[in-house]
Amino acid sequence: DAGVIQSPRHEVTEMGQEVTLRCKPISGHNSLFWYRQTMMRGLELLIYFNNNVPIDDSGMPEDRFSAKMPNASFSTLKIQPSEPRDSAVYFCASSPAGKQFFGPGTRLTVL
Amino acid sequence: GENVEQHPSTLSVQEGDSAVIKCTYSDSASNYFPWYKQELGKRPQLIIDIRSNVGEKKDQRIAVTLNKTAKHFSLHITETQPEDSAVYFCAASIDSSASKIIFGSGTRLSIRP
Repeated sequence: DAGVIQSPRHEVTEMGQEVTLRCKPISGHNSLFWYRQTMMRGLELLIYFNNNVPIDDSGMPEDRFSAKMPNASFSTLKIQPSEPRDSAVYFCASSPAGKQFFGPGTRLTVL
Repeated sequence: GENVEQHPSTLSVQEGDSAVIKCTYSDSASNYFPWYKQELGKRPQLIIDIRSNVGEKKDQRIAVTLNKTAKHFSLHITETQPEDSAVYFCAASIDSSASKIIFGSGTRLSIRP
């Protein structure tokens, strides 16, 4: 298995642009998690899905952030419009139950 | 909801010595406690985990202990090596397919040569 796959690995964009991050979970895992990591705030859970259904989105910072999981093998995290304070590493993780397996992350820089 | 506190935030030990990282949790329903290691520029990776029906678990140089009564759990690394330098996160959750993991704030471990 290739593990959790994220794309792009690096994204540099200008303030105000739309950013879409993508994640493919490990096949057979029924939970998917989106995290944001910064030096100041550490590892923050943004939203998670179980069986493609959003369970808890209380960590989503504001309405500029949205996430979807249209099927068991794909999820997106969208930021529109992006702001410099959104610069961070965004991790996707998947889990069969309990143990979480992280993807390599997307390093987002908003200028 | 669950809250996980982790100490210390930074730890420096001499190569070959032991390192101990401690965590506390608040929700008595939590029954699964994983530990993650994150090297610089890499993803967090699970290194060991323990469930509440076990008090201690060991894997080579790393061990975890759990005190359910006190809601404490700890990571012990013996005979530390330079490659142990990383940020370590403890976490707690209810072990089910629909549960989220609550992470501690992390401990930056540095191994002095």
